[in-house]
Amino acid sequence: GDSVTQMEGPVTLSEEAFLTINCTYTATGYPSLFWYVQYPGEGLQLLLKATKADDKGSNKGFEATYRKETTSFHLEKGSVQVSDSAVYFCALSDLSGNQFYFGTGTSLTVIP
Amino acid sequence: GAVVSQHPSWVICKSGTSVKIECRSLDFQATTMFWYRQFPKQSLMLMATSNEGSKATYEQGVEKDKFLINHASLTLSTLTVTSAHPEDSSFYICSARDFGTGLREQYFGPGTRLTVT
Repeated sequence: GDSVTQMEGPVTLSEEAFLTINCTYTATGYPSLFWYVQYPGEGLQLLLKATKADDKGSNKGFEATYRKETTSFHLEKGSVQVSDSAVYFCALSDLSGNQFYFGTGTSLTVIP
Repeated sequence: GAVVSQHPSWVICKSGTSVKIECRSLDFQATTMFWYRQFPKQSLMLMATSNEGSKATYEQGVEKDKFLINHASLTLSTLTVTSAHPEDSSFYICSARDFGTGLREQYFGPGTRLTVT
């Protein structure tokens, strides 16, 4: 079945460091891929998405490219800020759109 | 657009009582809504899929008599935790699809934190 494997955390970075959070997926057909962010005590917010191969999703300095050949959707940011500290979830939506598969989440802490 | 709200945002109840959580799509009609549960420092677990005007579909291992779901209108789904116990304490998150867009995207509510004492 469909699934998402996400890099284990927690991740601690200094401010302005480069961030990569790895995400790979297993799916039939062409799923849509998402990154969600969850700040402490809050729900999920959509960070970015990509709906087909080679699409690049971007938002707030974060980027991820839908790589079908490597079945990956790695999240990157060139220079993280303290305010980026949160838990990041990679997810995929199956062909029907009614099943979402989440990764386990990666906790990011950015220190000044 | 595509905003989903939940009420309440947090609730504390005594063991044995029932608690109702509301999920609303504010600016679109949602024929299908989803209820998730999240334990501390863990990912989201789908509990059930709620379909307007019909019975909910529960995931394996989720007690349908304990977690009652009602989707009476195109903008409202409710989750009632019946006879709550401390082990039901969790963060409950709902989501909804806007089928009008044709997109395979779910919009998530802000979550409801339930604490059972």
